[in-house]
Amino acid sequence: QVQLVESGGGVVQAGKSLRLSCVGSGFTFNQFGMHWVRQTPGKGLEWVAVTWYDGSNKYYADSVKGRFAISRDNSKDTLYLQMNSLRAEDTAVYYCARDRDSSGYLVELDYWGQGTLVTVSS
Amino acid sequence: QSVLTQTPSASGTPGQRVTISCSGSSSNIGSKYVYWYQQLPGTAPKLLIYRDNRRPSGVPDRFSGSKSGTSASLAISGLRSEDEAHYYCAAWDDSLRGVVFGGGTKLTVL
Repeated sequence: QVQLVESGGGVVQAGKSLRLSCVGSGFTFNQFGMHWVRQTPGKGLEWVAVTWYDGSNKYYADSVKGRFAISRDNSKDTLYLQMNSLRAEDTAVYYCARDRDSSGYLVELDYWGQGTLVTVSS
Repeated sequence: QSVLTQTPSASGTPGQRVTISCSGSSSNIGSKYVYWYQQLPGTAPKLLIYRDNRRPSGVPDRFSGSKSGTSASLAISGLRSEDEAHYYCAAWDDSLRGVVFGGGTKLTVL
């Protein structure tokens, strides 16, 4: 069965960096676009970034542009989110999600991980 | 302030039909597919409606989606207690070159 498992969350000081990972299994990882979506506890969903199936295109929310970088290693079935210059407002549960489309334009997020909590302390 | 606008809350009694709306613009809903996600308490979101009005396998036909112009709606008929959840609309936005979510609607089954 399809599974997405995130890791790498934790408590980090403002201004520091953190890298999240998301390992996919049960499907052909290199055929799907992959997204990161975050959710502040008790608040709504906020899209963070997307990478196409082959990593050729990447798009970011304005709130993280220039600070976060999405990447993937299809040989390891793994998605990454490198987060630099972290701010208190980046505190959230970060989900990785598979897009049924190879690009990610369609926003058909059919499988989600369980989420990993990132807490940025000031 | 979300790019897609949803009313924060909705409610209904068991068996009733409720509608949740999502308002956007020409750069998102007006030209792109709309998606609806259901998030039960303490769980990850689940794809409920895709490409405006299609249901993934396993989603009951009590759930339906529609779109007109720059607005979209999610209708839930035969409301059940297990439908109590947050519902989010989403779409690609050509101007922002990214995905936009609505602020979410908390549905309460009275």
